[in-house]
Amino acid sequence: NAGVTQTPKFQVLKTGQSMTLQCAQDMNHEYMSWYRQDPGMGLRLIHYSVGAGITDQGEVPNGYNVSRSTTEDFPLRLLSAAPSQTSVYFCASSIQGIGEKLFFGSGTQLSVL
Amino acid sequence: AQRVTQPEKLLSVFKGAPVELKCNYSYSGSPELFWYVQYSRQRLQLLLRHISRESIKGFTADLNKGETSFHLKKPFAQEEDSAMYYCAFQSGSARQLTFGSGTQLTVLP
Repeated sequence: NAGVTQTPKFQVLKTGQSMTLQCAQDMNHEYMSWYRQDPGMGLRLIHYSVGAGITDQGEVPNGYNVSRSTTEDFPLRLLSAAPSQTSVYFCASSIQGIGEKLFFGSGTQLSVL
Repeated sequence: AQRVTQPEKLLSVFKGAPVELKCNYSYSGSPELFWYVQYSRQRLQLLLRHISRESIKGFTADLNKGETSFHLKKPFAQEEDSAMYYCAFQSGSARQLTFGSGTQLTVLP
C-alpha cells in the first residue's frame, strides 16, 4: 500500500515551460487536493476534487490546471511556468472530504528560473 | 474570509518544559479544527482533531469558541517533538481546509 505518490520529487523549469506534477493514490479516496507550501505562508490550496470528473478551485488556482479522469490520479499542470510558482507542492487525499484525515504525498520541490 | 492564525513562527523550549503552540481562527460558526505535524524528512501528517477529543503523543488541544482558539499543548516536551506544526481549519460544509502559516518547534536538550 503506497498511499499517496508524487512524482517527480525535484524539478527545475525555465520561465514559460510547461509541466505536469503527478499524484496517485491507491486508497480509493474520493477527495484529492493540491497545496503549495511557501515560507511564512503555510500551505495554500490550489485545486481540489471530490471525485472523478469533479474539480474546483482553491485559494490560489491561477496558473494551474487540474483534471480527475480516474479516482486514483489527480495531475497538476503548469501551462507556462513563472518564477512565482517556485514552491514545494503537496498532493493530499482523504476518504470523502475535508473532515476526514488527509494523507499527504512526500512533495515536489519546483524551481522556476 | 475565514482565517487561521499562528502567531509564532518559531518556538523553542527545553526538554521537560511545557509547550503551547497558539492557533486562533476567525469564524462565527462551528468549525472543524486540526493540528498537522511535519517532522524532519517525513510527510505532513495529522496529529489530532478537535472532534476526536483525543491525546496523541501527549499533545492535547481544546477548542475555545469564546476566544476562537485551538491551542496545542503538551505538559513535558521531548526532543522528538521538534517539528513544524500547522493548525488547520474547515468551516461548516466548506470543502477546503485552510492552514495556518505554521510554527517551527525546537525542543532543546
